[in-house]
Amino acid sequence: DTEVTQTPKHLVMGMTNKKSLKCEQHMGHRAMYWYKQKAKKPPELMFVYSYEKLSINESVPSRFSPECPNSSLLNLHLHALQPEDSALYLCASSQGTRRQFFGPGTRLTVL
Amino acid sequence: DQQVKQNSPSLSVQEGRISILNCDYTNSMFDYFLWYKKYPAEGPTFLISISSIKDKNEDGRFTVFLNKSAKHLSLHIVPSQPGDSAVYFCAASPQGGRKLIWGLGTSLAVNP
Repeated sequence: DTEVTQTPKHLVMGMTNKKSLKCEQHMGHRAMYWYKQKAKKPPELMFVYSYEKLSINESVPSRFSPECPNSSLLNLHLHALQPEDSALYLCASSQGTRRQFFGPGTRLTVL
Repeated sequence: DQQVKQNSPSLSVQEGRISILNCDYTNSMFDYFLWYKKYPAEGPTFLISISSIKDKNEDGRFTVFLNKSAKHLSLHIVPSQPGDSAVYFCAASPQGGRKLIWGLGTSLAVNP
């Protein structure tokens, strides 16, 4: 299984809502990542988990809260988002720090 | 400061011809380079990579060349197919680093 899955595929939320994005991989990878991507731009790193511990937080606003319940799962909890947070949110995993496998993404729209 | 540069935002090629996508980098600590392909509204898909101890890596229609002295790498696609039309990102990883440093991407259009 060389797949990273993400749910939901699409999400529309208001600025006062609380929602969560989910990511799962069964490749035994010990590093997992959250990225944000705007159209025609490269992925922008948000968080890195290594062995289920948060190792990198790229100065992301606290309205984004990551969680790694176990080595296969990664969540991103969303609260009080702004319209400018609308983007494609990508999850990735890797065995080392080199080749990262990406999921299909969650298209988030904040109204 | 952009450490990984893809100076051509777009490229148009005829089907069957060679596509050459270029990438320059500034950081001598980068020792591993990757190319990803991305379709709209999908996650990036890994294409091919190269370690700094090599100067060429080939996988089917895709070949990556690395010129360390010039801090330059290129991706060759031969022959190009319409399904290759996508945005191609070059990324670099420093030795011992935990992040990928991305270029801004090149949009490739392969015309039938």
